Amino acid sequence: QQQVKQSPQSLIVQKGGISIINCAYENTAFDYFPWYQQFPGKGPALLIAIRPDVSEKKEGRFTISFNKSAKQFSLHIMDSQPGDSATYFCAARWGAQKLVFGQGTRLTINP
Amino acid sequence: GAVVSQHPSRVICKSGTSVKIECRSLDFQATTMFWYRQFPKQSLMLMATSNEGSKATYEQGVEKDKFLINHASLTLSTLTVTSAHPEDSSFYICSAENLGTRNSPLHFGNGTRLTVT
Repeated sequence: QQQVKQSPQSLIVQKGGISIINCAYENTAFDYFPWYQQFPGKGPALLIAIRPDVSEKKEGRFTISFNKSAKQFSLHIMDSQPGDSATYFCAARWGAQKLVFGQGTRLTINP
Repeated sequence: GAVVSQHPSRVICKSGTSVKIECRSLDFQATTMFWYRQFPKQSLMLMATSNEGSKATYEQGVEKDKFLINHASLTLSTLTVTSAHPEDSSFYICSAENLGTRNSPLHFGNGTRLTVT
């Protein structure tokens, strides 16, 4: 019940395309869903986050879609660029509890 | 913005020695810091939760006597890998929470690459 399942494990997208990464969770107590971007040799950096009272949040080219009834949320990267090539982690948390991470998606944007 | 500084970024040590990793919150007070370990091409594994002024809470399977955590101030937590062995080689990452900001996100340090020879 603590798990967050992320897919796909790896993803290749052409430059200018849309990258979509999906996550699913079981624990309905989760109330905070962030996405992190990690480059090799660096720590994760917060990209965008959402709370379950909204179904979508957009920041620039990055959008989180949240489906509370299905217990799923996804990250959409519009107009994907080679600089977006990184590993992306979804996560979930409730209150001040620990962050539970997904397995990660290695995204490659081909020029 | 909020910054978490981790030092050193890389360290190489010999088997049997101890290594200390520092995690600092630079512009906010963090009553809670988290320590993670990450193996190549894998997700972050939470090792322990560090609370200022009290003992750390370790996750199941993490040896508290091997991974000593000290959180002596609101801006500093340290992780000491004692009697390091090659299997301790990994990427260690800390994170801190700015409890002064409502709905604050967790901020991560840039990690420490530990290599034990």
